Amino acid sequence: AQSVAQPEDQVNVAEGNPLTVKCTYSVSGNPYLFWYVQYPNRGLQFLLKYITGDNLVKGSYGFEAEFNKSQTSFHLKKPSALVSDSALYFCAVRDMKRYNNNDMRFGAGTRLTVKP
Amino acid sequence: EAGVVQSPRYKIIEKKQPVAFWCNPISGHNTLYWYRQNLGQGPELLIRYENEEAVDDSQLPKDRFSAERLKGVDSTLKIQPAELGDSAVYLCASSPSPGTVHGHTGELFFGEGSRLTVL
Repeated sequence: AQSVAQPEDQVNVAEGNPLTVKCTYSVSGNPYLFWYVQYPNRGLQFLLKYITGDNLVKGSYGFEAEFNKSQTSFHLKKPSALVSDSALYFCAVRDMKRYNNNDMRFGAGTRLTVKP
Repeated sequence: EAGVVQSPRYKIIEKKQPVAFWCNPISGHNTLYWYRQNLGQGPELLIRYENEEAVDDSQLPKDRFSAERLKGVDSTLKIQPAELGDSAVYLCASSPSPGTVHGHTGELFFGEGSRLTVL
């Protein structure tokens, strides 16, 4: 079965600095990869996805993520962090080979704190 | 376009009481999911519906949890009786069924969640 690991429970960064939130995955086939953001007392909001093609994908709010097949990673990045980016971030994976009959698996989440 | 609607947003009950959560998915989305999110954790799937059929309920604790999606649109998740360990956020999500919407590639659309506190 597919799985996702987010090795950092918390990431702290100063406003204006670049940020990276790490994610590694495990699937038997080719992956569909996703990033979601969750603000306090809210549901999960879709940020971006990798399906196929260019390894660097761009998403909402200036975020981007880089797919690295050899390292089975899909790290979330942003060149210049904002205080308003502070939230909980989840990486998720679906197995494309079994897309028609599988669910989305989420990591445990990484809490990003951006300090002024 | 309206998003996924869930109610209630918050519910506080005593243990052994019943509780029910309701979800209205995005119009046209045939696939509906219920996830449970414990504090500090990622969401974990409880049940997935394709129209009115529960196609994956392997993670649903069937002794006390039940779910239904009678007309293939709205869904209800019930817990009876509730236990202290059921305190969590219950998230509903929807998506088009694979191949039914051109360009859709697997992302789920989530509601705001229903936060349950069992005392």
